[in-house]
Amino acid sequence: SQKIEQNSEALNIQEGKTATLTCNYTNYSPAYLQWYRQDPGRGPVFLLLIRENEKEKRKERLKVTFDTTLKQSLFHITASQPADSATYLCALSSASKIIFGSGTRLSIRP
Amino acid sequence: ETGVTQTPRHLVMGMTNKKSLKCEQHLGHNAMYWYKQSAKKPLELMFVYNFKEQTENNSVPSRFSPECPNSSHLFLHLHTLQPEDSALYLCASSQVSLAGGPDEQYFGPGTRLTVT
Repeated sequence: SQKIEQNSEALNIQEGKTATLTCNYTNYSPAYLQWYRQDPGRGPVFLLLIRENEKEKRKERLKVTFDTTLKQSLFHITASQPADSATYLCALSSASKIIFGSGTRLSIRP
Repeated sequence: ETGVTQTPRHLVMGMTNKKSLKCEQHLGHNAMYWYKQSAKKPLELMFVYNFKEQTENNSVPSRFSPECPNSSHLFLHLHTLQPEDSALYLCASSQVSLAGGPDEQYFGPGTRLTVT
């Protein structure tokens, strides 16, 4: 069956460092991979989308890589700030299907 | 705000009640979704509507009944729910291309449902 794993349930890092979150998947060939941010009590907010034929995407301090051979995506936040603390979700999508990972709760300490 | 609104934000209902959740999107999108989010579990896609037609029903019990009267509105009708149905119910919309694959999803704030 299709499976997504975000390998850390929680990640704590020092302010100013680069946070790196991982998303691995099996038994799936997604056309797109997406990353979302979710704050407590709120719906997820879209951050970045990367297509299967793209290797890397950037947006301000965010960078996403997509390796379809390794079946893995890495999500980086550079110069992290306490305001970046949230749960980050990856999602795989193709055709009319979309499946989400369980998320990584990121905490940035001052 | 994301352009997707949901009402009510909180709902407590007994197992014999009937209630409805409402979602409205102001983004001109052509697809709408219902998700269930339980503690410590991934988001579970429940229903998908593309161009007002239901295209996905991921083995959801019949006590959940969706309705999509037009491309901007989506309802989730609830009846005879169980305590394990308590969760955050999220609505989302997106613009689906004919080439396939949903693009980014815009989520509402969710309805926190408690079944007693």
